[in-house]
Amino acid sequence: DAEITQSPRHKITETGRQVTLACHQTWNHNNMFWYRQDLGHGLRLIHYSYGVQDTNKGEVSDGYSVSRSNTEDLPLTLESAASSQTSVYFCASSASGQLYGYTFGSGTRLTVV
Amino acid sequence: DAKTTQPPSMDCAEGRAANLPCNHSTISGNEYVYWYRQIHSQGPQYIIHGLKNNETNEMASLIITEDRKSSTLILPHATLRDTAVYYCIVSENAGNNRKLIWGLGTSLAVNP
Repeated sequence: DAEITQSPRHKITETGRQVTLACHQTWNHNNMFWYRQDLGHGLRLIHYSYGVQDTNKGEVSDGYSVSRSNTEDLPLTLESAASSQTSVYFCASSASGQLYGYTFGSGTRLTVV
Repeated sequence: DAKTTQPPSMDCAEGRAANLPCNHSTISGNEYVYWYRQIHSQGPQYIIHGLKNNETNEMASLIITEDRKSSTLILPHATLRDTAVYYCIVSENAGNNRKLIWGLGTSLAVNP
């Protein structure tokens, strides 16, 4: 069965370290998204991609980067981790033009100490 | 800012219908209403969406008022597994040039 997987599920890192969160989907979806979720906030969009070699900034992109070299993967990199980036991160994918087709991963809980 | 307003929390007895309201008074003619839910610590899950007409699927029913300024998600026979945060979102359904704006949703507690 097709799926979307995130790794790791939990990560503790130190301030200033570079961290990469993985997202891999086998739905063959063109669209992929990274969100963060914090208490008191809804899901906030970090970066998104509509296809290979395409990346776009979301509403909270500062300090994060993504690259899309194939259809299946959209890794999220924290250039220099900060305590404000402690959060739960969700990756999602969808077919083009289908908002109801958003499929989410199980999330990565990142703690920056 | 989110374009929808939802009550922060609701309770429902197991086996009864859960009616979750959503206000979207600024919705435009080409925007759909989407409902997702998020069970504790999991990624959100799509439930249903609609434009003007009422919609029903195996999970829920969506009732949209005639002026489209509000809607209600109905879980006809709520179970304990329906305890979750429910998000109402409005957005266009055409093309890729749009993004979902997530509010805080309604935390539904289904009680035995």
